[in-house]
Amino acid sequence: EIVLTQSPGTLSLSPGERVTLSCRASQSVSSSSLAWYQQKPGQAPRLLIYGASIRATGIPDRFNGSGSETDFTLTIGRLEPEDFAVYYCQQFTTSPQYTFGQGTQLEIK
Amino acid sequence: EVQLVESGGGLVKPGGSLRLSCAASGFAFSDYNMNWVRRAPGKGLEWVSSISSSSSYIHYADSVRGRFTISRDNAKNSLYLQMSSLRVEDTAVYYCARRGGYCTSTNCYKWFDPWGQGTLVTVSS
Repeated sequence: EIVLTQSPGTLSLSPGERVTLSCRASQSVSSSSLAWYQQKPGQAPRLLIYGASIRATGIPDRFNGSGSETDFTLTIGRLEPEDFAVYYCQQFTTSPQYTFGQGTQLEIK
Repeated sequence: EVQLVESGGGLVKPGGSLRLSCAASGFAFSDYNMNWVRRAPGKGLEWVSSISSSSSYIHYADSVRGRFTISRDNAKNSLYLQMSSLRVEDTAVYYCARRGGYCTSTNCYKWFDPWGQGTLVTVSS
């Protein structure tokens, strides 16, 4: 089983700042099989990025994904108030065991 | 509008059973692999189970195998999760999610989208 480890667990930042979230895999993950989601309290997760770097429909260009093999990152270029949420990475390499990372909580400072 | 709506959650005692449903609309349900994902209180997302478009391929997380059964009715555009021998640690919001994706000549891309709003299952005595 591929384990995804996200860091940090929690980040406290201010609107306007830039942030980079990390997702590290226990073994190599195909870049085409790595996705990122955003989840706000009481809401369903929302797809942000698939294929490690391809923004989903309607996702603002301040969200950027990158990485390969075991190291992936999600960068938010300039935080908006609505970006404070929990972010998850997910891998599809070991289909159909679609494991998620444990999440990074992004909170307002 | 593409939409998934879960129902069937509630309070159940340990050892009990519950059946969740997910009603799909706005897309060709029978063309898609479907999934159940849960989020326990204070924890992250956990993939629970998947079922292929024609129900030929079914998979479960180790944590629920032998206790949960996923099924679908393409004529009714519905996905189900029959949960039995429930444990306190099964307490979570359960989401259904459609697996999307496409392949190029070199890569296959996959993702979960959309997701339903979730239904809460509480296992407690």
